[in-house]
Amino acid sequence: QVQLQESGPGLVKPSETLSLTCTVSGYSITSGYYWGWVRQPPGKGLEWIGSIEYSGRTYHNPSLKSRITISVDTSRNQFSLKLSFVTAADTAVYYCARNPHMWNGAQTTLYYLDYWGQGTLVTVSS
Amino acid sequence: QSALTQPASVSGSPGQSITISCTGTSSDVGGYNLVSWYQQHPGKAPKLMIFEDSKRPSGVSNRFSGSKSGSTASLTVSGLQAEDEADYYCCSYASTSTLIFGGGTKLTVL
Repeated sequence: QVQLQESGPGLVKPSETLSLTCTVSGYSITSGYYWGWVRQPPGKGLEWIGSIEYSGRTYHNPSLKSRITISVDTSRNQFSLKLSFVTAADTAVYYCARNPHMWNGAQTTLYYLDYWGQGTLVTVSS
Repeated sequence: QSALTQPASVSGSPGQSITISCTGTSSDVGGYNLVSWYQQHPGKAPKLMIFEDSKRPSGVSNRFSGSKSGSTASLTVSGLQAEDEADYYCCSYASTSTLIFGGGTKLTVL
């Protein structure tokens, strides 16, 4: 059974960098699939942040792209998110999820998000 | 990249059917057979209910069905049950290797 678990600080100061890690169990991240991050501000909807493959190929939400770094550590079966220069608007529950895809030799098509972590609340406040 | 458009709320009585719409453009919903739907109960992670417009993952009740016409996708829940009360989100692949969500719909079972 595929399981994902987010971890990281629950409180980040404004202008600093938010860092989260997602640990995958029950499935090797090198066996295919993209692995994604989604966030949800309190009382609001879901927002896709970005997805990464074990090779390191990544795709990002254009609205966040300049502040996002997504990386993968295959030795630990983990992938990570860094979001720089955070503000109160970045306060949200952050989820990691498995993201099936297709590669046609020229472009990656991201499909859906089938397995999700439980989410972790990150608050941006001084 | 604008969010897909969903009604803020829908409601129905137990046993009835409801439909939630999700409107996009030819660059996302209308351009690919890649709309997915997620159910989210308060304080819980989203759960995949429909993928690739109309396919159900193993274990999801056949009371949930998906369809699409042009750039509008729909989720239908038949035989409403109290446990169906939740927020529902649509999501679509967009042409630039990105995913885009709808704003979410709160389903109330009266």
